[in-house]
Amino acid sequence: SQQGEEDPQALSIQEGENATMNCSYKTSINNLQWYRQNSGRGLVHLILIRSNEREKHSGRLRVTLDTSKKSSSLLITASRAADTASYFCATDAIYNQGGKLIFGQGTELSVKP
Amino acid sequence: DAGVTQSPTHLIKTRGQQVTLRCSPKSGHDTVSWYQQALGQGPQFIFQYYEEEERQRGNFPDRFSGHQFPNYSSELNVNALLLGDSALYLCASSLDRFTDTQYFGPGTRLTVL
Repeated sequence: SQQGEEDPQALSIQEGENATMNCSYKTSINNLQWYRQNSGRGLVHLILIRSNEREKHSGRLRVTLDTSKKSSSLLITASRAADTASYFCATDAIYNQGGKLIFGQGTELSVKP
Repeated sequence: DAGVTQSPTHLIKTRGQQVTLRCSPKSGHDTVSWYQQALGQGPQFIFQYYEEEERQRGNFPDRFSGHQFPNYSSELNVNALLLGDSALYLCASSLDRFTDTQYFGPGTRLTVL
């Protein structure tokens, strides 16, 4: 079963615009991770935020985490055509031994040149 | 430094057959996890191996089994294939069972006819 729900399911923007994707989850977590997937191939790890962190940056990526609302957001600034991909949030639930990621259904991002 | 590798890339089988998928983890990683990703869905956790034993398992029937070898590579076996087993099968490795970040391979696309 999927723990996370992502919103929107699809997002289409112009190059240079910012893209924001949201993720909600159900149980308490150790950490939340964001992954990118191009054309149904392997996932690329983007960023990990721990349950005691509220915000994290990596290049053009900014992730926020609100554990009281059980939600996270991924912001991609100044988007590029190469950012076109599916983006997934994945949670590592606190009751797991670790390493069992539960993924949302993803947001399909299209960046038009 | 080689990343996670998987073989084969694509596979076509018929209902009732058995299939074996292979994964070599990233150099230095000893923990391997397997995920199933149906079309349009997020990946679902199948199981995790370290120290050559299955340590965690998702909600998958016993038709799904695995193995980890002393060199940390892993196999996923699926018996009595069903049409619903058609999916992208992803292998992920991590440095050890305590490390949160997982590195994914390109996946094996299994089609069951």
